[in-house]
Amino acid sequence: GAVVSQHPSRVICKSGTSVKIECRSLDFQATTMFWYRQFPKQSLMLMATSNEGSKATYEQGVEKDKFLINHASLTLSTLTVTSAHPEDSSFYICSARDHRGMGTEAFFGQGTRLTVV
Amino acid sequence: RKEVEQDPGPFNVPEGATVAFNCTYSNSASQSFFWYRQDCRKEPKLLMSVYSSGNEDGRFTAQLNRASQYISLLIRDSKLSDSATYLCVVIVPFSGGYNKLIFGAGTRLAVHP
Repeated sequence: GAVVSQHPSRVICKSGTSVKIECRSLDFQATTMFWYRQFPKQSLMLMATSNEGSKATYEQGVEKDKFLINHASLTLSTLTVTSAHPEDSSFYICSARDHRGMGTEAFFGQGTRLTVV
Repeated sequence: RKEVEQDPGPFNVPEGATVAFNCTYSNSASQSFFWYRQDCRKEPKLLMSVYSSGNEDGRFTAQLNRASQYISLLIRDSKLSDSATYLCVVIVPFSGGYNKLIFGAGTRLAVHP
């Protein structure tokens, strides 16, 4: 199956710093990438949807100036958590899909566990 | 109303039991449907796609009822290794001809000896 690579898998950062998470589709063109956040024992919450070459669309309640998403190519999307605070500590997962296939599944990165201290 | 709703469980069943999970979705324009499985602290992995005609893969059967906007997953002869959270996923139309994936909250299954 298709592979989506997400880095880093774990990161610990100080409060007030920024963290960048990369998501790459290794063997297919990801026209659409999704970024999710999952708190312990809770479900995956969609943060934003990004289509290659256009601005990301953020879900209600997600601050676009805090969670910067860039999807500059068909194989790479990045999420930057700016001025991170302890409440941003969570499991962040990217998902990539080629929207041109109506029934195609989405493939997930391995996730990034962010801890802000 | 949430776009995708699932019973969170947990479902605690003995090995060998048959268990069924349900999922409802609110957007009648939803186009594709999947069941994913997520193990603790791991990323979700595709379990199976859900087709209008229903589909079966070994011990797993998925059904779709578009009229009722309802998806189901049946697991027969449960194994200990089936213990996980099962996520209902719906692809809904989005602006510009794109789609977005919406997850249900997940149903937790615990299979015990």
